[in-house]
Amino acid sequence: DTAVSQTPKYLVTQMGNDKSIKCEQNLGHDTMYWYKQDSKKFLKIMFSYNNKELIINETVPNRFSPKSPDKAHLNLHINSLELGDSAVYFCASSPTDGGIGTDTQYFGPGTRLTVL
Amino acid sequence: ILNVEQSPQSLHVQEGDSTNFTCSFPSSNFYALHWYRWETAKSPEALFVMTLNGDEKKKGRISATLNTKEGYSYLYIKGSQPEDSATYLCAFNTGNQFYFGTGTSLTVIP
Repeated sequence: DTAVSQTPKYLVTQMGNDKSIKCEQNLGHDTMYWYKQDSKKFLKIMFSYNNKELIINETVPNRFSPKSPDKAHLNLHINSLELGDSAVYFCASSPTDGGIGTDTQYFGPGTRLTVL
Repeated sequence: ILNVEQSPQSLHVQEGDSTNFTCSFPSSNFYALHWYRWETAKSPEALFVMTLNGDEKKKGRISATLNTKEGYSYLYIKGSQPEDSATYLCAFNTGNQFYFGTGTSLTVIP
């Protein structure tokens, strides 16, 4: 059973396009996250949602907009894609409150985005 | 920007050897320290969450210690096996922010 799933796994697109990456967790967790793994392999948090409410919004361009239709889903929509958006994006979830405390985070398999 | 450093960056050991690596983090604003195991082409998998100075955690052959006063955590692997080959990531948690290190890539040679 997949705990945290992301679709698509690979996304290749042209500069200027708008694309979405979907994330779903079936763990009953309250909090979900989006991370970007940059070229230096750093994992940087982008957003965190707790029960559909935004609780962390790091300094990311406003071309990135998370959408949480329910607490099991946190989708990432990216407008006007740029070359520098190419990266692997990871979704994660954790059981409680921002999960930023001591909760373990469970990661999805990642989505490799390539902008040409 | 907060620095979380892991060393060494990569490590090759023979099967059966024991090994350890380090995660260094700021000693202020500490809330928790997380260790993850990340195999190639998979997603990070949680190993430990550590909160108290002097904490020691163990999971099979893998254990970790925590020193919040001096800002470091060690991860130990006893009797390394080829299946231990992975990147080991630590994440420093201030209570409202998560900062990951770049990981230590471990290769265990059969």
